[in-house]
Amino acid sequence: AQSVTQPDIHITVSEGASLELRCNYSYGATPYLFWYVQSPGQGLQLLLKYFSGDTLVQGIKGFEAEFKRSQSSFNLRKPSVHWSDAAEYFCAVGAGNTGGFKTIFGAGTRLFVKA
Amino acid sequence: NAGVTQTPKFRILKIGQSMTLQCTQDMNHNYMYWYRQDPGMGLKLIYYSVGAGITDKGEVPNGYNVSRSTTEDFPLRLELAAPSQTSVYFCASSLDRFLGQAGNTIYFGEGSWLTVV
Repeated sequence: AQSVTQPDIHITVSEGASLELRCNYSYGATPYLFWYVQSPGQGLQLLLKYFSGDTLVQGIKGFEAEFKRSQSSFNLRKPSVHWSDAAEYFCAVGAGNTGGFKTIFGAGTRLFVKA
Repeated sequence: NAGVTQTPKFRILKIGQSMTLQCTQDMNHNYMYWYRQDPGMGLKLIYYSVGAGITDKGEVPNGYNVSRSTTEDFPLRLELAAPSQTSVYFCASSLDRFLGQAGNTIYFGEGSWLTVV
């Protein structure tokens, strides 16, 4: 079955510390992978996406993610977290030719940033 | 550029009432979607549309109806509201089904918080 797992429901990091949010997927076709961020009271904003090519992708706000096919993972990283990064982060997987109605979202990881 | 606009942002309904969540996009996107987000769960697709006049069920369509009379608008109607429909609803759109081509991706509205009491 197709699925996306975000093992951490919530994570707390200190401001200035590094961050890694985990995402594992199970998908029958070649996956297209996304990370979205949802700030409190806001909709989802696309951080970055992977479709093909270089497995390390750069996104907005200083985030990056690495696609590891052998581990079925697409972990999100940031070298130095800012207080404004506190939000909920969603990993999603889809197929390139089926649009959003086949995109599967993980349950989300809530990031708390402490001073 | 407004993107995807949803109204209302907040609403409290009584059990058995009906209401319509409005969604409009100004990006001339063909594909539109309605998702619901429940605590601790990922987004679940309620309905989607691939163009004006064409709609189809997603993963959790029961208790909802949609219509797509224009490219821009994709309203979601709740008939006979139930407590199980308490959720956050997101409307979204994409240019077409070929995510990844020419920067095509899913754009989300800001969400509508619905409580059924």
